[in-house]
Amino acid sequence: NAGVTQTPKFRILKIGQSMTLQCAQDMNHNYMYWYRQDPGMGLKLIYYSVGAGITDKGEVPNGYNVSRSTTEDFPLRLELAAPSQTSVYFCASSYPEVNTEAFFGQGTRLTVV
Amino acid sequence: AQKVTQAQTEISVVEKEDVTLDCVYETRDTTYYLFWYKQPPSGELVFLIRRNSFDEQNEISGRYSWNFQKSTSSFNFTITASQVVDSAVYFCALRNYTGANSKLTFGKGITLSVRP
Repeated sequence: NAGVTQTPKFRILKIGQSMTLQCAQDMNHNYMYWYRQDPGMGLKLIYYSVGAGITDKGEVPNGYNVSRSTTEDFPLRLELAAPSQTSVYFCASSYPEVNTEAFFGQGTRLTVV
Repeated sequence: AQKVTQAQTEISVVEKEDVTLDCVYETRDTTYYLFWYKQPPSGELVFLIRRNSFDEQNEISGRYSWNFQKSTSSFNFTITASQVVDSAVYFCALRNYTGANSKLTFGKGITLSVRP
């Protein structure tokens, strides 16, 4: 029962470094999402994908890139890390139907110093 | 555009008190779903309940109950006889059907602390 798996769980980056947050789901969900969670700000949508090869921007996409080459994987790329990207990142997946809930990964705590 | 407002930011109660978490939403769609998620101190997000826009029947599940009122665009969540284990951040979320894409929008969350 893996569900949504995110790696790594924790990471410290230096300003200007790049990294990829990995996300994989084994539920055959069409939809996948990346959110960031900052204290007191709730979850903000960074990017989402409605299927392999299709991605779209969410509310806060600047500084991030995504790709979706398979149904299972949805990596999030940070090209030039900035302190403002210090956050907890959650990947989620769901079926496309509006009545279905999203399943979340355990989160990645990223600190940019 | 859709929006979820959780005006309460932090609530602190003593164990066994009842507590209600408020959620107000905005959407122009007629078909949508509302959700509540719980985020305990361990950090994961746990789905609690969903309610569709056509079903205003309130629901009770053990110590939890939900009150959905379309007239006031509210979907409130009540915990009866709160326990320390209820301490968590609670998020209300809205998912509506917008053409081919259906996204989940979250409120800012309410931090509930239940003291022994």
